[in-house]
Amino acid sequence: GAVVSQHPSRVICKSGTSVKIECRSLDFQATTMFWYRQFPKKSLMLMATSNEGSKATYEQGVEKDKFLINHASLTLSTLTVTSAHPEDSSFYICSAPEERLLNSPLHFGNGTRLTVT
Amino acid sequence: AQKITQTQPGMFVQEKEAVTLDCTYDTSDPSYGLFWYKQPSSGEMIFLIYQGSYDQQNATEGRYSLNFQKARKSANLVISASQLGDSAMYFCAMREGRNTGNQFYFGTGTSLTVIP
Repeated sequence: GAVVSQHPSRVICKSGTSVKIECRSLDFQATTMFWYRQFPKKSLMLMATSNEGSKATYEQGVEKDKFLINHASLTLSTLTVTSAHPEDSSFYICSAPEERLLNSPLHFGNGTRLTVT
Repeated sequence: AQKITQTQPGMFVQEKEAVTLDCTYDTSDPSYGLFWYKQPSSGEMIFLIYQGSYDQQNATEGRYSLNFQKARKSANLVISASQLGDSAMYFCAMREGRNTGNQFYFGTGTSLTVIP
């Protein structure tokens, strides 16, 4: 089945530094990728929709300058958390639909657990 | 209004018993798809089962089945013969046919604990 690879799986960084998270579709082309943030035992919160070759669409309340998204190719999207603060500590997970068909499920990366000290 | 509602924050089930996880949805689009995902404590999201709005029969995948009641707008997940490895968060999701942005709507999830 379709595979989405996300790296790193865990990252610890110091406050004020930037962290880049990569999301790759390994065996299909993803014109759209979704970035979610998830707090413990909570639902997925959509942060932004990443579109290949164009600007990402951010959800209300998500700071564009803080969470930089780049979708440079049909198989790679990156999320950069800039000037990270402890409150940015969370689980970030990317996903992509393999096709635009209704019955095509979202394929998820394994997530990145970010800890900002 | 919430697109997807999961009213059970936590559920417990005895090993080998069946359990039903509730999901109701809200859409005016006649064409939509419903999905269930499992998220173990490790964090990955595992796709379990799909039901299309035009499907005549309830979807089944091994021990998972979907109790689809279109008039009630409900799509409950039934897990039969529960196993300890079924302990996880379960999310119901919907995709609308008219949504050209590919967006999926997720419920708040149900935490299932299987008791030995």
